[in-house]
Amino acid sequence: QKEVEQDPGPLSVPEGAIVSLNCTYSNSAFQYFMWYRQYSRKGPELLMYTYSSGNKEDGRFTAQVDKSSKYISLFIRDSQPSDSATYLCAMSVGSGYSTLTFGKGTMLLVSP
Amino acid sequence: KAGVTQTPRYLIKTRGQQVTLSCSPISGHRSVSWYQQTPGQGLQFLFEYFSETQRNKGNFPGRFSGRQFSNSRSEMNVSTLELGDSALYLCASSPSGGNTGELFFGEGSRLTVL
Repeated sequence: QKEVEQDPGPLSVPEGAIVSLNCTYSNSAFQYFMWYRQYSRKGPELLMYTYSSGNKEDGRFTAQVDKSSKYISLFIRDSQPSDSATYLCAMSVGSGYSTLTFGKGTMLLVSP
Repeated sequence: KAGVTQTPRYLIKTRGQQVTLSCSPISGHRSVSWYQQTPGQGLQFLFEYFSETQRNKGNFPGRFSGRQFSNSRSEMNVSTLELGDSALYLCASSPSGGNTGELFFGEGSRLTVL
């Protein structure tokens, strides 16, 4: 079992839909949780960053962390075609330096 | 502010050759990390440098090596290339190297091994 599991998709939705992206993990030591967005032929860019359990909202994006279930989610409201990308979850234990464990990414396609 | 710059963007090598990839971090960032991205394995951590010292290393064979210079620029080297080394190699920088996850990635160097 990989440390971080993420459905590869693709997930296809119409413009304006609410999108739910999820990751599960097995290492209970993870404390920092991140979502990165990666457009084709580009490097990942940080979207959301949360520490421990709880919710965090930033515009159309909401990140949720449930450490008891080892489950994290990213919700995108009013999805736009420009949101079409691969979304990667990442997490770290909080010790060590800049070492993230990534999910394999979910490809999201938002059609106009 | 200029982002993370990686060169070359694309390269093709044959088995047995070696390759050197370069990374210039964001100005002021002292930590540089390297990741390998493949369709099968996703993003995997290679190593991380801070102030010219390797602070962390992933589970890759010794053919993969790196270094960081005094100006924070970094290089990684892969010797005796294998077909399985074909991948996108991503460099990321962060201001302090603290484990906050705020990594700023370059666009990557896409290596094809024939």
